Formats: sequence, C-alpha cells, structure tokens
Amino acid sequence: ILNVEQSPQSLHVQEGDSTNFTCSFPSSNFYALHWYRWETAKSPEALFVMTLNGDEKKKGRISATLNTKEGYSYLYIKGSQPEDSATYLCASNNNNDMRFGAGTRLTVKP
Amino acid sequence: EPEVTQTPSHQVTQMGQEVILRCVPISNHLYFYWYRQILGQKVEFLVSFYNNEISEKSEIFDDQFSVERPDGSNFTLKIRSTKLEDSAMYFCASSEGRLSRYEQYFGPGTRLTVT
Repeated sequence: ILNVEQSPQSLHVQEGDSTNFTCSFPSSNFYALHWYRWETAKSPEALFVMTLNGDEKKKGRISATLNTKEGYSYLYIKGSQPEDSATYLCASNNNNDMRFGAGTRLTVKP
Repeated sequence: EPEVTQTPSHQVTQMGQEVILRCVPISNHLYFYWYRQILGQKVEFLVSFYNNEISEKSEIFDDQFSVERPDGSNFTLKIRSTKLEDSAMYFCASSEGRLSRYEQYFGPGTRLTVT
C-alpha cells in the first residue's frame, strides 16, 4: 500500500451506538500514525499520535489501536453522541512525509 | 488556549499573480507546515520548516512555492505565479517537535481561488 486508505467513506449511526473505522497505511519506513477529528467549517483537531506496534490510546469515549506490521489502525467510538459527528482523518508519517486518508464522515443521529 | 491563526480567510487572485498566505504558529512550537486540500480531494503535504529552513518538501512544492519566517511570529507561503490548479484550501500547522512523536495543530485555513 503506497497510499493511506480509510473505510468506510461515511457512516450513519444512532446515538448510543458504538462504532469503529479503519485506516490502512504503508508499513515501510513508518514513523507515526496521526488521527484527527475534523468538524465542518473548522480545522482538523489532533486526537492521537501513535508510533509503536500494539499502541493503544484513549481519550474519553474514543480509542485507537495500531498495527505497524500489517499497516492498519482502528479508531473506536463508544456510545456515540451527536457531537461526535465529524470527519475522522488519519495521516501516516513515513520518511518524514505525511500522507492523509480521505477521511470517514460520521453522522450520529439523536 | 493557544491556536494557529491564518490570514486571510479567503483570497481571490488572477492567474499569474503572486500571493502570500500568512500564518502565526503557536509560540513555543518549533516545526511548521503547509498543507493544501483541493476541493473533493485528500489533504496533501507541501512543506515542513524547522530552524529557519525547509526540512522536507513534497513533489508538489516546486519552484513557484516558497516559505519564509520573516520575523519571530509569522510563517508565510508564497506562490509566485498562480495557476488555476492552485485553487485550494491551504492549511498551516505547527508542532512542538517532529511529527514522529508530536501532535500538530492546524490553523483554520485560507481558501485560495485563482480565476
């Protein structure tokens, strides 16, 4: 994989549902994986930076895992709330380059 | 809370004109970046800047682009002779340290429209 790919492209869930998205990234010359939360009309907000295989990070109801050997990361949201509605963007730092995925657009319905 | 600021929020220019996009990174940050997002496409890395020089740049960052830190606070992106395909949202970002370890903070962006 040369590019960073995210799936699904969009997701609609009900308030209270738990959900997860995937980010696939190049595993060669890997330095770090960044996750961002990007609300419409705002700038991307950093959620996590992960570097080591097996890393798990958590911030409130949001958590993420990292597998650098196979080149994927999962982002989990537990008990989604309407305010979680945003685009979740991942970016892979390889060889001092940053490559972004297209994002997963999450809509949480009350 | 400290934040990255960018001016202007929207810039309209004619093809062939020079534009300068301005950013004020967070004051104690050492690394600065420019990204762009063409409408409907992914965010793309342009350049990173550290210790008053370019540390990395992408293939997009050709001779028509330049960056500068003219004083202790501003970080600018200059496009010398704009083309229609330069129309995009340009984001500035900064971080305390290298992206291999540190989070980066984005500004609100400048929407550049080249006519």
